[in-house]
Amino acid sequence: DAGVTQSPTHLIKTRGQQVTLRCSPKSGHDTVSWYQQALGQGPQFIFQYYEEEERQRGNFPDRFSGHQFPNYSSELNVNALLLGDSALYLCASSLAGRDRDAYEQYFGPGTRLTVT
Amino acid sequence: AQRVTQPEKLLSVFKGAPVELKCNYSYSGSPELFWYVQYSRQRLQLLLRHISRESIKGFTADLNKGETSFHLKKPFAQEEDSAMYYCALRVGGTSYGKLTFGQGTILTVHP
Repeated sequence: DAGVTQSPTHLIKTRGQQVTLRCSPKSGHDTVSWYQQALGQGPQFIFQYYEEEERQRGNFPDRFSGHQFPNYSSELNVNALLLGDSALYLCASSLAGRDRDAYEQYFGPGTRLTVT
Repeated sequence: AQRVTQPEKLLSVFKGAPVELKCNYSYSGSPELFWYVQYSRQRLQLLLRHISRESIKGFTADLNKGETSFHLKKPFAQEEDSAMYYCALRVGGTSYGKLTFGQGTILTVHP
């Protein structure tokens, strides 16, 4: 199992453009969370998807949207890119359930987005 | 809103010395606290969680609700402990609550 995978690894976009980032969860996981990590900062929660629906959302504008597919993979879309959107975008997968041990979030390597 | 504070951005110790990485949180309810670690060129991974009360790689952390702290400790640091450490808090249930991270502490263990 390769664990959580993300694509692409790096991306350079121009201000105003749109971008789509992709995430495949760890085998057996059904929940995907997205985080933004600016340089020198800790990861910030963007949103979480479960059963193809956005279940929880952080303090991010509507320019940030997502999708989850039936195979549990997920996309993060950012419209009208701003210079401040430059960051490492992390995807984390987990397994929903009542068991506390099932909650651990496994992180992917991230996608480095640079907006010029 | 919940918040996690890691007051030290950088921490340097010598091999064999004790190390303590500080973490304070603000949350009015009963949080779940975690420590995540990121070694060089590796992805973020869970180190330990307060509910398990276990020692991982010699590290322990005790949740002090009175002081709202969750400091990470190791009695004898090793060079391989050099990494970025993040303290994180989770609310909203066991299965899907979002993680709130601190800004991280870079630990360097000198030979």
